[in-house]
Amino acid sequence: QVQLQESGPGLVKPSETLSLTCTVSGYSISSGSYWGWIRQPPGKGLEWIGSIYHSGRTYNNPSLKSRVTMSVDTSKNQFSLKLSSVTAADTAFYYCASASGNYLGSLDSWGQGTLVTVSS
Amino acid sequence: QSALTQPPSASGSPGQSVTISCTGSNSDVGGYNYVSWYQQHPGKAPKLMIYEVTKRPSGVPDRFSGSKSGNTASLTVSGLQAEDEADYYCSSYAVSNPLVFGGGTKLTVL
Repeated sequence: QVQLQESGPGLVKPSETLSLTCTVSGYSISSGSYWGWIRQPPGKGLEWIGSIYHSGRTYNNPSLKSRVTMSVDTSKNQFSLKLSSVTAADTAFYYCASASGNYLGSLDSWGQGTLVTVSS
Repeated sequence: QSALTQPPSASGSPGQSVTISCTGSNSDVGGYNYVSWYQQHPGKAPKLMIYEVTKRPSGVPDRFSGSKSGNTASLTVSGLQAEDEADYYCSSYAVSNPLVFGGGTKLTVL
Protein backbone atom coordinates (compact mmCIF):
# COMPACT_ATOMS: atom_id res chain seq x y z
CA GLN A 1 0.00 0.00 0.00
CA VAL A 2 1.43 3.33 -1.08
CA GLN A 3 1.79 5.94 1.65
CA LEU A 4 2.68 9.57 1.01
CA GLN A 5 3.76 12.31 3.41
CA GLU A 6 4.25 15.98 2.61
CA SER A 7 6.90 18.06 4.32
CA GLY A 8 8.08 21.65 4.10
CA PRO A 9 7.72 25.10 5.62
CA GLY A 10 4.26 26.09 6.76
CA LEU A 11 4.93 29.79 6.27
CA VAL A 12 6.40 31.43 3.18
CA LYS A 13 6.92 35.14 2.54
CA PRO A 14 5.36 36.84 -0.50
CA SER A 15 7.54 36.78 -3.63
CA GLU A 16 9.57 33.86 -2.29
CA THR A 17 9.55 30.22 -3.42
CA LEU A 18 7.39 27.57 -1.81
CA SER A 19 9.18 24.23 -1.56
CA LEU A 20 7.53 20.94 -0.60
CA THR A 21 8.70 17.34 -0.59
CA CYS A 22 6.61 14.19 -0.67
CA THR A 23 8.14 11.05 0.81
CA VAL A 24 6.76 7.80 -0.56
CA SER A 25 6.74 4.51 1.32
CA GLY A 26 5.43 1.09 0.38
CA TYR A 27 6.29 1.56 -3.29
CA SER A 28 9.35 2.49 -5.32
CA ILE A 29 8.90 5.70 -7.30
CA SER A 30 11.16 4.32 -10.02
CA SER A 31 8.74 1.42 -10.59
CA GLY A 32 6.15 3.61 -12.24
CA SER A 33 3.06 5.74 -11.55
CA TYR A 34 2.35 9.43 -11.84
CA TRP A 35 3.22 11.59 -8.83
CA GLY A 36 1.15 14.72 -8.44
CA TRP A 37 0.49 17.87 -6.46
CA ILE A 38 -2.96 19.26 -5.72
CA ARG A 39 -3.86 22.24 -3.58
CA GLN A 40 -6.98 23.46 -1.83
CA PRO A 41 -7.40 26.96 -0.38
CA PRO A 42 -9.11 26.77 3.01
CA GLY A 43 -12.85 26.29 2.49
CA LYS A 44 -12.53 26.08 -1.30
CA GLY A 45 -12.19 23.47 -4.02
CA LEU A 46 -9.36 21.39 -5.42
CA GLU A 47 -6.82 22.62 -7.98
CA TRP A 48 -4.35 20.39 -9.76
CA ILE A 49 -0.86 21.88 -9.83
CA GLY A 50 1.03 19.29 -11.83
CA SER A 51 2.32 15.73 -12.03
CA ILE A 52 5.61 14.04 -12.77
CA TYR A 53 6.06 10.59 -14.20
CA HIS A 54 8.66 8.28 -12.71
CA SER A 55 10.80 8.93 -15.78
CA GLY A 56 10.91 12.63 -14.92
CA ARG A 57 8.49 13.85 -17.60
CA THR A 58 6.29 16.60 -16.20
CA TYR A 59 2.69 17.62 -16.81
CA ASN A 60 1.52 21.05 -15.70
CA ASN A 61 -1.58 23.10 -15.09
CA PRO A 62 -1.24 25.83 -17.73
CA SER A 63 -2.33 28.48 -15.24
CA LEU A 64 0.63 27.74 -12.96
CA LYS A 65 3.17 26.32 -15.37
CA SER A 66 5.47 29.34 -15.45
CA ARG A 67 5.96 29.19 -11.67
CA VAL A 68 6.14 25.42 -11.08
CA THR A 69 9.15 23.14 -10.97
CA MET A 70 8.81 19.45 -10.11
CA SER A 71 11.48 16.80 -9.64
CA VAL A 72 11.94 13.21 -8.55
CA ASP A 73 14.70 11.83 -6.31
CA THR A 74 14.58 8.07 -6.73
CA SER A 75 17.46 7.53 -4.29
CA LYS A 76 15.35 9.02 -1.49
CA ASN A 77 12.01 7.82 -2.92
CA GLN A 78 10.78 11.40 -2.88
CA PHE A 79 9.35 13.92 -5.29
CA SER A 80 9.28 17.67 -4.88
CA LEU A 81 7.43 20.85 -5.81
CA LYS A 82 8.72 24.37 -6.10
CA LEU A 83 6.30 27.26 -6.68
CA SER A 84 7.96 30.59 -7.27
CA SER A 85 6.85 34.19 -6.72
CA VAL A 86 4.12 33.24 -4.27
CA THR A 87 1.34 35.58 -3.18
CA ALA A 88 -1.44 35.33 -0.61
CA ALA A 89 -3.51 33.56 -3.28
CA ASP A 90 -1.15 30.59 -2.98
CA THR A 91 -2.17 30.00 0.63
CA ALA A 92 -3.66 26.51 0.64
CA PHE A 93 -3.50 22.95 1.83
CA TYR A 94 -1.05 21.19 -0.44
CA TYR A 95 -1.49 17.49 -1.12
CA CYS A 96 0.79 15.05 -2.84
CA ALA A 97 -0.86 12.08 -4.52
CA SER A 98 -0.17 9.22 -6.88
CA ALA A 99 -1.96 7.65 -9.83
CA SER A 100 -1.03 4.02 -10.42
CA GLY A 101 -2.99 3.56 -13.64
CA ASN A 102 -2.57 4.91 -17.13
CA TYR A 103 -3.98 8.38 -16.45
CA LEU A 104 -2.46 10.94 -14.12
CA GLY A 105 -5.87 12.11 -12.97
CA SER A 106 -6.97 8.85 -11.31
CA LEU A 107 -5.32 9.72 -8.01
CA ASP A 108 -5.66 6.63 -5.85
CA SER A 109 -3.30 7.46 -2.98
CA TRP A 110 -3.01 10.76 -1.15
CA GLY A 111 -0.90 12.32 1.55
CA GLN A 112 -2.61 13.92 4.53
CA GLY A 113 -1.90 17.41 3.24
CA THR A 114 0.04 20.33 4.64
CA LEU A 115 -1.09 23.92 5.09
CA VAL A 116 1.15 26.54 3.56
CA THR A 117 0.45 30.15 4.44
CA VAL A 118 1.90 32.99 2.42
CA SER A 119 2.38 36.00 4.66
CA SER A 120 5.04 38.47 5.66
CA GLN B 1 -14.59 29.51 -11.87
CA SER B 2 -14.17 25.76 -12.21
CA ALA B 3 -13.97 24.11 -15.60
CA LEU B 4 -16.53 21.52 -14.53
CA THR B 5 -19.90 22.50 -13.04
CA GLN B 6 -21.32 20.73 -10.01
CA PRO B 7 -24.32 21.66 -7.87
CA PRO B 8 -23.15 23.24 -4.60
CA SER B 9 -25.28 20.91 -2.51
CA ALA B 10 -27.26 17.69 -2.56
CA SER B 11 -29.13 15.79 0.12
CA GLY B 12 -31.01 12.63 0.85
CA SER B 13 -32.34 10.56 3.72
CA PRO B 14 -30.68 7.38 4.95
CA GLY B 15 -31.43 4.50 2.60
CA GLN B 16 -32.32 6.74 -0.31
CA SER B 17 -30.33 7.31 -3.50
CA VAL B 18 -28.82 10.62 -4.54
CA THR B 19 -27.15 11.61 -7.80
CA ILE B 20 -24.57 14.37 -8.21
CA SER B 21 -23.94 15.80 -11.65
CA CYS B 22 -20.76 17.13 -13.24
CA THR B 23 -21.20 19.11 -16.43
CA GLY B 24 -18.40 19.96 -18.81
CA SER B 25 -18.01 20.13 -22.56
CA ASN B 26 -16.91 18.13 -25.60
CA SER B 27 -13.36 19.13 -24.71
CA ASP B 28 -13.36 17.35 -21.37
CA VAL B 29 -16.13 15.19 -19.88
CA GLY B 30 -17.86 14.55 -23.20
CA GLY B 31 -14.74 13.78 -25.15
CA TYR B 32 -12.85 11.40 -22.88
CA ASN B 33 -13.56 8.55 -20.48
CA TYR B 34 -11.28 9.95 -17.80
CA VAL B 35 -13.82 11.17 -15.28
CA SER B 36 -13.06 10.56 -11.61
CA TRP B 37 -14.98 11.22 -8.40
CA TYR B 38 -13.45 12.01 -5.02
CA GLN B 39 -14.97 12.01 -1.54
CA GLN B 40 -13.58 14.39 1.06
CA HIS B 41 -14.55 14.44 4.72
CA PRO B 42 -13.79 17.59 6.75
CA GLY B 43 -10.12 17.91 7.57
CA LYS B 44 -9.21 14.86 5.52
CA ALA B 45 -7.55 14.21 2.18
CA PRO B 46 -9.73 13.37 -0.81
CA LYS B 47 -10.39 9.70 -1.54
CA LEU B 48 -10.84 8.25 -5.01
CA MET B 49 -14.30 6.70 -5.33
CA ILE B 50 -14.75 6.30 -9.10
CA TYR B 51 -12.27 6.46 -11.97
CA GLU B 52 -12.56 6.21 -15.75
CA VAL B 53 -16.27 7.09 -15.47
CA THR B 54 -17.55 3.80 -14.01
CA LYS B 55 -14.71 1.91 -12.29
CA ARG B 56 -14.53 1.49 -8.53
CA PRO B 57 -11.18 1.12 -6.74
CA SER B 58 -10.81 -1.85 -4.45
CA GLY B 59 -12.52 -1.21 -1.12
CA VAL B 60 -15.08 1.31 -2.34
CA PRO B 61 -18.62 0.07 -1.61
CA ASP B 62 -20.72 -0.85 -4.63
CA ARG B 63 -23.30 1.67 -3.38
CA PHE B 64 -21.20 4.18 -5.30
CA SER B 65 -21.55 4.15 -9.08
CA GLY B 66 -20.57 6.43 -11.94
CA SER B 67 -22.00 7.11 -15.37
CA LYS B 68 -21.80 9.58 -18.22
CA SER B 69 -24.19 10.92 -20.83
CA GLY B 70 -22.93 13.44 -23.33
CA ASN B 71 -21.07 16.21 -21.52
CA THR B 72 -22.45 15.32 -18.09
CA ALA B 73 -21.03 12.74 -15.70
CA SER B 74 -22.91 11.55 -12.63
CA LEU B 75 -22.13 9.95 -9.31
CA THR B 76 -24.93 7.98 -7.70
CA VAL B 77 -24.85 6.96 -4.06
CA SER B 78 -27.44 4.29 -3.28
CA GLY B 79 -28.59 3.25 0.18
CA LEU B 80 -27.33 6.49 1.72
CA GLN B 81 -25.53 6.14 5.03
CA ALA B 82 -24.54 8.79 7.55
CA GLU B 83 -20.87 8.24 6.72
CA ASP B 84 -21.51 9.30 3.11
CA GLU B 85 -21.96 12.91 4.24
CA ALA B 86 -18.97 14.66 2.71
CA ASP B 87 -17.84 16.89 -0.14
CA TYR B 88 -17.64 15.25 -3.55
CA TYR B 89 -15.48 16.45 -6.44
CA CYS B 90 -15.48 15.34 -10.04
CA SER B 91 -12.46 15.64 -12.28
CA SER B 92 -11.70 15.02 -15.92
CA TYR B 93 -9.02 15.11 -18.56
CA ALA B 94 -9.38 18.22 -20.71
CA VAL B 95 -7.83 19.26 -23.99
CA SER B 96 -6.64 22.49 -22.42
CA ASN B 97 -5.46 20.98 -19.14
CA PRO B 98 -4.58 17.36 -18.26
CA LEU B 99 -6.63 17.47 -15.07
CA VAL B 100 -9.50 19.78 -14.13
CA PHE B 101 -11.77 19.59 -11.10
CA GLY B 102 -15.35 20.55 -10.50
CA GLY B 103 -16.24 23.05 -7.81
CA GLY B 104 -17.47 20.36 -5.41
CA THR B 105 -20.82 19.28 -4.02
CA LYS B 106 -21.63 19.09 -0.33
CA LEU B 107 -23.72 15.98 0.29
CA THR B 108 -25.91 16.09 3.38
CA VAL B 109 -27.55 13.00 4.82
CA LEU B 110 -30.77 14.21 6.40
